[in-house]
Amino acid sequence: DSGVTQTPKHLITATGQRVTLRCSPRSGDLSVYWYQQSLDQGLQFLIQYYNGEERAKGNILERFSAQQFPDLHSELNLSSLELGDSALYFCASNSGRGSYEQYFGPGTRLTVT
Amino acid sequence: GQNIDQPTEMTATEGAIVQINCTYQTSGFNGLFWYQQHAGEAPTFLSYNVLDGLEEKGRFSSFLSRSKGYSYLLLKELQMKDSASYLCAVRSPGSSNTGKLIFGQGTTLQVKP
Repeated sequence: DSGVTQTPKHLITATGQRVTLRCSPRSGDLSVYWYQQSLDQGLQFLIQYYNGEERAKGNILERFSAQQFPDLHSELNLSSLELGDSALYFCASNSGRGSYEQYFGPGTRLTVT
Repeated sequence: GQNIDQPTEMTATEGAIVQINCTYQTSGFNGLFWYQQHAGEAPTFLSYNVLDGLEEKGRFSSFLSRSKGYSYLLLKELQMKDSASYLCAVRSPGSSNTGKLIFGQGTTLQVKP
């Protein structure tokens, strides 16, 4: 158990819908990272937040957005869902202060039908 | 551009030694990571190299050559539980609180009795 929690574990929804994925980092960690893992694309970095502010951005679609709240939990919002958005979404955290290892949560499996 | 190459699949025998190679071409480098991922589960950290040379941790060792853009993960005394996907990832440079990881597609290792 990495100490990172993600909810929900599974999510099934229809095309065109909007969903919110939630992540709670390890106690004391200030940085949260979101990754998408699909069968054909591997693990792709989406976005990083540090202490409430956006720090780095990857190939995140405009239909996707994220935020980190004052209590340091983070939410990833996916809208106008398409079949191709079906994937495992992982959240990872670390202290962000020069640390390197990222601790991954168990992931949310999103299925768009 | 960013390019990280690993073999797609490898097979080895229980008790043997296996070496998984990774080559990278990235715009900047601030460390190379190896993660282990069992199917449907979160990636777990194995090793981190930022300087050239060999890092040993129990049955696992990782090597880095920055001039050649090359790393390998060495697994000794293979066990059945080592059957998993092994992900090579490069950390992009940035401030101490920016830790974007670029992942390769992963190498699926099958350990046979």
